[in-house]
Order: sequence, then C-alpha cells, then structure tokens
Amino acid sequence: EVQLVESGGGLVQPGRSLRLSCAASGFTFDDYAMYWVRQAPGKGLEWVSGISWNSGSIGYADSVKGRFTISRDSAKNSLYLQMNSLRAEDTAFYYCAKGIVGATNSFFDYWGQGTLVTVSS
Amino acid sequence: QSVLTQPPSASGTPGQRVTISCSGSSSNIGSNTVNWYQQLPGTAPKLLIYSNNQRPSGVPDRFSGSKSGTSASLAISGLQSEDEAHYYCAAWDDSLNGWVFGGGTKLTVL
Repeated sequence: EVQLVESGGGLVQPGRSLRLSCAASGFTFDDYAMYWVRQAPGKGLEWVSGISWNSGSIGYADSVKGRFTISRDSAKNSLYLQMNSLRAEDTAFYYCAKGIVGATNSFFDYWGQGTLVTVSS
Repeated sequence: QSVLTQPPSASGTPGQRVTISCSGSSSNIGSNTVNWYQQLPGTAPKLLIYSNNQRPSGVPDRFSGSKSGTSASLAISGLQSEDEAHYYCAAWDDSLNGWVFGGGTKLTVL
C-alpha cells in the first residue's frame, strides 16, 4: 500500500526557513517523480515543485522559485522541501504527491495527508 | 487567478447527472491530457480521472471524463450524497513547464 507521510510543518515567522519532509513507502521510491502541492486554507490547489526519479529534472512554480528547494534521498525513501524567506502568502497545507512514472510531467496518483505551514509574526 | 477555469459551484439532486467544465489553453489542455481530483471535506485530494477519461481502480463508473480542444468535462451520473466534495482539474502546461490546476468546483448534493 502506497503511503506518503509529511512532517515538518508549523508556525514560523516571516523571513525564516522551514524544511518539510515526506516519508514514502509501499512502492519503489527511486522509480517515480515526486511533487509538492499546496493549498491555502479554504482555497484551491497550487503545484509548488516537482522532481524526477533521478533528480535530473526539477521544476518550481514562479511563486516559490529562488526561495524553495526540492530534493530527494533514495536511501531514506524521502522527499524534502527547503523553504526559505517565507512569506505570509506561503501559509498553506503542503501535500506530498507521487507521480505515475519518473518524469516530472507525469500526473499524481497518490497524495499524503498534508502538513500545515503557518507564516505569521 | 487559476490557469484553468472551473465554475466555483455545481449542484444536483440524488440520482441526477451533473457536469463540471474545465477550460484552458493550447499550452495546457490543448496539448496535454487532463486529470481530475476529488477532495472530500477535510481530506487530501484523490485521483478520480486520468488521461482525460480513464478511471483508476476503485472509482465507480458513475464518474466519466472527456476532452475536446482546450476544454474538458467531468460528468457524474446517479449523483449520491457522498459525491459532495470539491473537484479539481489539472494539466501539464508546456509554457509554464509545470502543473496547473483549476480553481476547483464545490459540488453540493441537494
């Protein structure tokens, strides 16, 4: 059974940093692209970033480019999102999602339950 | 402002058929397949339809998808109370080099 478990969310002041993690299990992590998608409270879904199976292809939404960094660790079956220079508008639930193949343009078939990031002073 | 355009709300009575539209452009829906996600209250999104009209295992055949040009639609027949949820369309955008979503449609079963 595919499981994606996010962690690392919390309350952080504007301008500070936070690192999210996503622990994956139930599938061969190395074979699939992985993503971060966020959802501000009461709002719609927004793709944040994606990383291919071998980290060779990485993409970011314009809203986070230059501030967020996605990475993956095959030894730990984990996906990460390093978030720097956080802003109030980054407040959202952050979901980890799995692609159906290794490329970053493959759609997401499984989602984690999300972790809440609140940026406020 | 979402790249893909969906109506903010839709409604129907039990047993009815409802459709939800999703409008895009040549760089997203016009050149790539469309996927639909269902988000029940307080839960994570779930894949409902992929590659325009394919249903993952376990999704009832009451749900169907279609695409024409730069628009797509999700149809739900035999509406049930448990279908009350938010529905999102998504597609890869060749110009943005990333995934784009619709703003979501809240389906109410009256």
